[in-house]
Amino acid sequence: QQKVQQSPESLIVPEGGMASLNCTSSDRNVDYFWWYRQHSGKSPKMLMSIFSNGEKEEGRFTVHLNKASLHTSLHIRDSQPSDSALYLCAASGNNAGAKLTFGGGTRLTVRP
Amino acid sequence: NAGVIQTPRHKVTGKGQEATLWCEPISGHSAVFWYRQTIVQGLEFLTYFRNQAPIDDSGMPKERFSAQMPNQSHSTLKIQSTQPQDSAVYLCASSLRGGFAEQFFGPGTRLTVL
Repeated sequence: QQKVQQSPESLIVPEGGMASLNCTSSDRNVDYFWWYRQHSGKSPKMLMSIFSNGEKEEGRFTVHLNKASLHTSLHIRDSQPSDSALYLCAASGNNAGAKLTFGGGTRLTVRP
Repeated sequence: NAGVIQTPRHKVTGKGQEATLWCEPISGHSAVFWYRQTIVQGLEFLTYFRNQAPIDDSGMPKERFSAQMPNQSHSTLKIQSTQPQDSAVYLCASSLRGGFAEQFFGPGTRLTVL
């Protein structure tokens, strides 16, 4: 079983809508969470990272983290067709050095 | 800044042949990572170097896979006696330092083993 679980596996939202993606780690040694976006045929690119409890906002993207439950969520407001991609959550911990453990991803489709 | 460079972009080998994949990290980055991505297994960590020294190879299959970083400007991943299950996109990433620094991914090498 993967140590980083993402849900849902796929998500369809209308253009201009809100997309909400979830990620939970089962490894208590995790300290950092990362959100990467991967467009079809391209390599993953980091969107946001978070290590403190609470919320972090950058433009249309907001990330939440609850360290007690090791749950993070990514919210995309005013979704655009160009946001259609595979969203990967990754976790890293201080006992694993820099290694990233990725979840299976959420495939987001934004319908015009 | 050219980003992380990986060559070749595509490689096709026959079962039992050897494959060598190359990665040039972003200039000035001291950490280099190898991952592989498949539809079934997703994106998996393989190995990691910092300042050219191997730090963590916990994701490397113990047989047939090896990685080296002979100098700060390139790393290689070698797969001996390739098998169909080795077919994947192999991704190299680099970061300014190890630890909790952002990892920048290269375009990947798509390996197909017939």
